[in-house]
Amino acid sequence: ETGVTQTPRHLVMGMTNKKSLKCEQHLGHNAMYWYKQSAKKPLELMFVYNFKEQTENNSVPSRFSPECPNSSHLFLHLHTLQPEDSALYLCASSQGLAEQFFGPGTRLTVL
Amino acid sequence: AQSVTQLDSHVSVSEGTPVLLRCNYSSSYSPSLFWYVQHPNKGLQLLLKYTSAATLVKGINGFEAEFKKSETSFHLTKPSAHMSDAAEYFCVVTPPQQGGKLIFGQGTELSVKP
Repeated sequence: ETGVTQTPRHLVMGMTNKKSLKCEQHLGHNAMYWYKQSAKKPLELMFVYNFKEQTENNSVPSRFSPECPNSSHLFLHLHTLQPEDSALYLCASSQGLAEQFFGPGTRLTVL
Repeated sequence: AQSVTQLDSHVSVSEGTPVLLRCNYSSSYSPSLFWYVQHPNKGLQLLLKYTSAATLVKGINGFEAEFKKSETSFHLTKPSAHMSDAAEYFCVVTPPQQGGKLIFGQGTELSVKP
């Protein structure tokens, strides 16, 4: 595997379910990011991790819970989501302040 | 506050004709500017970046962009469109010393007709 990978690529869940999105980067980067891409809206930065420490939480509801166990892996734990949370969730990584490399995204549908 | 405006939500060109995707930014300081492309069901790919070096930036796949401070613009161009260029294009600004905070434009969907 190369670059940034995300699993699953598609996820359908009910509002009472608990699920997790996984991101893995194979680039040796030290920063990782979660973005939300909704239809007709600009990409929104959700969380930033530098050296496994969260450095940015962009006013994200607590039903989204990130976890970064090491600099190569990033998770987004989901629980009691709302239909308006349906979106494409993108993970990215970078080396310091250099350009970010994106994964293919997880298409999430909340019923 | 930093912001970026993509002036066209959709652009349609014929194959072999020039491409122009417009972007204006708002920044109190000299920002870093990027163009990303997103093909259907794919992640974002970096096309090119401006970081206060040469004002004319060349990217991948024949794209280039010119930073014009007086016009606060960073338009993306390509001399001759190819069918494979059909995608969504995002202009992105990041404030100085805040490299982790990418601020995205709304995106421009490029269609290429045969």
